[in-house]
Amino acid sequence: AQSVTQLGSHVSVSEGALVLLRCNYSSSVPPYLFWYVQYPNQGLQLLLKYTSAATLVKGINGFEAEFKKSETSFHLTKPSAHMSDAAEYFCAVSKRGSTLGRLYFGRGTQLTVWP
Amino acid sequence: DVKVTQSSRYLVKRTGEKVFLECVQDMDHENMFWYRQDPGLGLRLIYFSYDVKMKEKGDIPEGYSVSREKKERFSLILESASTNQTSMYLCATEDGNQPQHFGDGTRLSIL
Repeated sequence: AQSVTQLGSHVSVSEGALVLLRCNYSSSVPPYLFWYVQYPNQGLQLLLKYTSAATLVKGINGFEAEFKKSETSFHLTKPSAHMSDAAEYFCAVSKRGSTLGRLYFGRGTQLTVWP
Repeated sequence: DVKVTQSSRYLVKRTGEKVFLECVQDMDHENMFWYRQDPGLGLRLIYFSYDVKMKEKGDIPEGYSVSREKKERFSLILESASTNQTSMYLCATEDGNQPQHFGDGTRLSIL
């Protein structure tokens, strides 16, 4: 079975500081992993995805995530936070090789960026 | 670019009403999904469909049904709305090769 744990339901950083959002997964088979972002009153937008190529994945808006199999982690980082990064972030996992891409989501992390 | 359109952004209904939430996609995707989003709980899968007239229960199907008569349209039905179904509902689609694309959501209030 697949599951995702996001550590920290709320994260606050100052503008210009490092952003680190944590995600650990559980999967019975090699997974696909995703980070989505949700701005207020909008749907989810894909930030980046890991599908078995390079373990360091670069996404949109300067975000990146590293797949670490030994730690079953897929943490999201950004070197320098911007006010526009304030949003809710969701980590998700699906079974690799499945043609029906059912996603299992974490509970989300709300990122606040202080000026 | 994939477009997933949910018919209403905000909807207010009364307890006991039959409620229809509509989702339409323009990319001929096989797979469509309905999620419910509640604070602190993330997204939970209600139902999904992998073909016309085909449906599968997700994690929380109780109190809901779905309809997929045409490939581009996937409807979520609340047979008899209750206050505990007040939530944000998100529709998503995918073709099995690319990540899911989401609509903007319908914020449903049941009074």
